[in-house]
Amino acid sequence: GQQLNQSPQSMFIQEGEDVSMNCTSSSIFNTWLWYKQDPGEGPVLLIALYKAGELTSNGRLTAQFGITRKDSFLNISASIPSDVGIYFCAGQGWNAGNMLTFGGGTRLMVKP
Amino acid sequence: DGGITQSPKYLFRKEGQNVTLSCEQNLNHDAMYWYRQDPGQGLRLIYYSQIVNDFQKGDIAEGYSVSREKKESFPLTVTSAQKNPTAFYLCATGLDGKLYGYTFGSGTRLTVV
Repeated sequence: GQQLNQSPQSMFIQEGEDVSMNCTSSSIFNTWLWYKQDPGEGPVLLIALYKAGELTSNGRLTAQFGITRKDSFLNISASIPSDVGIYFCAGQGWNAGNMLTFGGGTRLMVKP
Repeated sequence: DGGITQSPKYLFRKEGQNVTLSCEQNLNHDAMYWYRQDPGQGLRLIYYSQIVNDFQKGDIAEGYSVSREKKESFPLTVTSAQKNPTAFYLCATGLDGKLYGYTFGSGTRLTVV
């Protein structure tokens, strides 16, 4: 099935650095979501975006719903070791039975 | 507290055996999904069900089977026809007709020995 283009695939950064990752699609979505997966666990929802152009923050995380409805980005400021994990973007629309389409994930590693 | 329970957390299977992974939810969500995740990889859809007594194949359904006899339960059977079953399996739920994303369980790691 379709998969969103998520980049970068992996990042190895120093603690305290800011992080940016993004997701693009050839299709438009009505909702964009960002999940984080800790090792050995299921993904947990970080931020949900429901409106084109919307910019939403959750602590050190900021995400935006692209104005074209075909992209989204996630920024993490001042990274800390517990930010380590896999971050997935997902798009959801009224077509295809409201099913989520996922990106391939961004693996974040933080060096203390 | 509402949530999704996947059991067991770790499962070992001998080659040639069928094994069933459990997924139970008390979120009152209509839709349930099974995903497979291989090391360092993304999520691949195995099966999904949007209503009781109905389910659909996902992208990698071969070698797997499911049932949806109750709204709360969506067990996944990994059959002997699945040639490479060692993976991390995730169950998720969602509200039909709503764009609120999915809620995921904590996963089951299946290893073939």
